[in-house]
Amino acid sequence: EVQLVESGGGLVKPGGSLRLSCAASGFTFSTYSMSWVRQAPGKGLEWVSSISSSSGYIYYADSVKGRFTISRDNAKNSLFLQMNSLRAEDTAVYYCASSIAARPGRTQFDYWGQGTLVIVSS
Amino acid sequence: QSALTQPASVSGSPGQSITISCTGTSSDVGGYKYVSWYQQHPGKAPKLMIYEVNNRPSGVPDRLSGSKSGNTASLTISGLQAEDEADYYCSSFTSSSTLYVFGTGTKVTVL
Repeated sequence: EVQLVESGGGLVKPGGSLRLSCAASGFTFSTYSMSWVRQAPGKGLEWVSSISSSSGYIYYADSVKGRFTISRDNAKNSLFLQMNSLRAEDTAVYYCASSIAARPGRTQFDYWGQGTLVIVSS
Repeated sequence: QSALTQPASVSGSPGQSITISCTGTSSDVGGYKYVSWYQQHPGKAPKLMIYEVNNRPSGVPDRLSGSKSGNTASLTISGLQAEDEADYYCSSFTSSSTLYVFGTGTKVTVL
């Protein structure tokens, strides 16, 4: 059974940093591309960032480019999102999602974690 | 990159059919077969229901079907059931600077 478990969310002040993690199991993590998708309270889904299976291709939404960094550790079946210079508008539930294609983009989000809540507030 | 346009809400009685539209541009929905649909129940994670316009993952009932015409994709739910009440989002690959774009979301109510 595929499992994606996010952690690392919490309350942080504007301008602060936070590192999210996603632990994967039940599939061959090293062959899947991975993504972060967020959902602000009461709002729709917003794609944040994606990384290819071997980390060779990395993409970011314009809203987070230069502030967020996606990475993965295939040996530990883990995905990360380093979030710096956080703003109030980054407040959201952050989901990690897997895609069967090795390179993100021309594919779908096959499985999703339960999400972790990030609140940016003073 | 603007979000794909979906109706805010759609409703139907049990057993009826409903269709949710998802309108984009030739840079996303109209230009590629990589349109997918996700179901999200309140407080839960999204779940893939349709991929590549009209393909169902294993376990998704065949009451759900997808199609595309021009820049608009559609999700049809036939034989509406109480368990279908949820939010639905479309998504597409896009050739713009944003790799993926999601729809605005549609709340499906079973009357």
